[in-house]
Amino acid sequence: DSGVTQTPKHLITATGQRVTLRCSPRSGDLSVYWYQQSLDQGLQFLIQYYNGEERAKGNILERFSAQQFPDLHSELNLSSLELGDSALYFCASSVGGVETEAFFGQGTRLTVV
Amino acid sequence: AQSVTQPDIHITVSEGASLELRCNYSYGATPYLFWYVQSPGQGLQLLLKYFSGDTLVQGIKGFEAEFKRSQSSFNLRKPSVHWSDAAEYFCAGTGANFGNEKLTFGTGTRLTIIP
Repeated sequence: DSGVTQTPKHLITATGQRVTLRCSPRSGDLSVYWYQQSLDQGLQFLIQYYNGEERAKGNILERFSAQQFPDLHSELNLSSLELGDSALYFCASSVGGVETEAFFGQGTRLTVV
Repeated sequence: AQSVTQPDIHITVSEGASLELRCNYSYGATPYLFWYVQSPGQGLQLLLKYFSGDTLVQGIKGFEAEFKRSQSSFNLRKPSVHWSDAAEYFCAGTGANFGNEKLTFGTGTRLTIIP
């Protein structure tokens, strides 16, 4: 158990819908990262938050947004969902930046039908 | 552009045999480099990382990796694999600049162990 909790584990939704994925980082970790893993794109970095503020942005679509709350948990919002958004979404947390070890949650598997 | 390449999609080795997984990087300066392992249905676990200093890095589970600037490589090795090492292995890198936090992953190498 990495200490990073992601909910829900599985999510099935229809195209055009909006979903929210939740991540609780390890106790004491200030950074939260979101990644998308799909068969055709591989592992893609989406976005990072550090202590409530956005720190780095990757290949995140405009339909996607994220935030980190004062209690340091984070949510990834995916809207106007398309079939191609079906993927495994990972959250990771670390004490500091990328130079500190990132611990990954078990992911949320999103299926868009 | 910054990139990490894993040339081998799938590797099969016998249990007890040695292992080397290849990783090549393309960065302007010396990047931070990482190897992660992903077991089926699991998240990623960090095996080892290289930032600077000694080019031979020891990790968990008996893995090591060697940074070779002349070859732009960071290959992962293990002298004797165990059946439990069967998994997907990802090499990743990021620019060693403060604020450059984007971690770029290779496409992964699937490792199969045969008895």
